[in-house]
This record gives sequence, structure tokens and C-alpha cells, in this order.
Amino acid sequence: QVQLVQSGAEVKKPGASVRVSCRASESNVNGYYIHWVRQAPGQGLEWMGWINSKNGDTDSAQKFQGRVTMTRDTSSSTVYMQLSGLRSDDTAVYYCARLYDYYDDSGSYNGGAFDIWGQGTMVTVSS
Amino acid sequence: QSVLTQPPSVSGTPGQRVTISCSGRSSNVGINAVIWYQQFPGTAPKLLIYPNNQRPSGVPDRFSASKSGTSGSLAISGVQSEDEADYYCAAWDVSLNDWVFGGGTKLTVL
Repeated sequence: QVQLVQSGAEVKKPGASVRVSCRASESNVNGYYIHWVRQAPGQGLEWMGWINSKNGDTDSAQKFQGRVTMTRDTSSSTVYMQLSGLRSDDTAVYYCARLYDYYDDSGSYNGGAFDIWGQGTMVTVSS
Repeated sequence: QSVLTQPPSVSGTPGQRVTISCSGRSSNVGINAVIWYQQFPGTAPKLLIYPNNQRPSGVPDRFSASKSGTSGSLAISGVQSEDEADYYCAAWDVSLNDWVFGGGTKLTVL
């Protein structure tokens, strides 16, 4: 079973940047879309964006465009999410998650779901 | 404000049937699968229901899901104390080109 292992907790000052890593335990995660989801303390889940771990294509929620950068290193099966211009309301647990595509018995696409999640990385933004 | 709407909390006694609703729009729930996640405090979300209302291996069959129009529903038949957790629905939104989530529902087993 593939596992996603994230980097440790970070404390940053407002205006700084943070980079969170997400390493797959097996190399065959390359080719999957890895998504980033965050959760502010006591709040719900918020989708941030994705990276295609095979070709490096990315897309992000409009809210984060211009502030988030997602990259990958195929040699180490690691993806990275960098968030710049940190504000206090960026304080959250950041998760990476693999999107798995599901098909029915006839081969028709049924949709995707985040089947494997990293353990989460707490990012605290405080002066 | 979440794009998908869930009740903030639901409760039930052991053995009861509990349902959690997830209301969306034609651009998300109306056209795509509703996915359900379970989250215990201090841990990452766990996939509970995937497309076509299927359960991953290891998820008890007391969990089931359905969808009608722009609303989805998660049902727990015979709720148990270990089911006490937060539950989130999610769907891909074709207008936003985003994954959207519900605000989450806290299940309390009395």
C-alpha cells in the first residue's frame, strides 16, 4: 500500500513562504495526480490544487493562484507545495492526497477520489 | 462558506440509523459523484465512499451512500460508538474546475 509521508511542522512569519514536501513510499506514484488540501484549526477541508506527478502540469484554486507553486522530483517520488505571502489565516494543516480514478466493469469512468492521504503538516503563521 | 452544504452536527444512539445530507448544485453534485470522507480528531481524512457509492476495502457495510439530483446522502445503519467522527462530502465542480467540499458534519453517538 502506497503511503504519502509529509515534512514536519513549520512556523513562519507573515509575508514569508513555506514549502511542504510529500514523498511517496513507492515509485509507482509517478503518473498520479497529487492534490493539496488544507484545514484551518477547527474548520473544514479546503482544496488548493493539484500536480500531475508524471509531467509536472499543475492547476490551483483561483483563491491561491499567484501564491501557490507545486513542483515534483520524480527521482525521489516527492512533490512539493510552496505557499508564499503567508498570512495568519494560512495557519492550517496541509495535506497531500492521491487522486485515484475509478472505472466500472465496462471501462466507463465513474470519477475520482482521494484514496491516500499524507499525515498532514501543520503550518503556523505568527509574528 | 462551503460550496456543498452539510448539517453541522447529527447524533444518534448505538444501533440507530443516522443520515448525513450533502446539498450542492448542478455543476457539482448534480453531474459528478459525491465522495465521502471520515476524519477522526488529529488525523488525516480517510476515504469512506468512492464513486458509484462504493466502499473501500475495510469500510464496514453499515456505511452506504446515495444521490438524487443535486443532493447526496450518507447513511450509517446501526451506528456504533467508534463511528463518532467528522464526515465530509466532496465533488468535482465543472464550473469552478475545483474540488469542492462540504463544511463537515460532526457525528455524536449518545
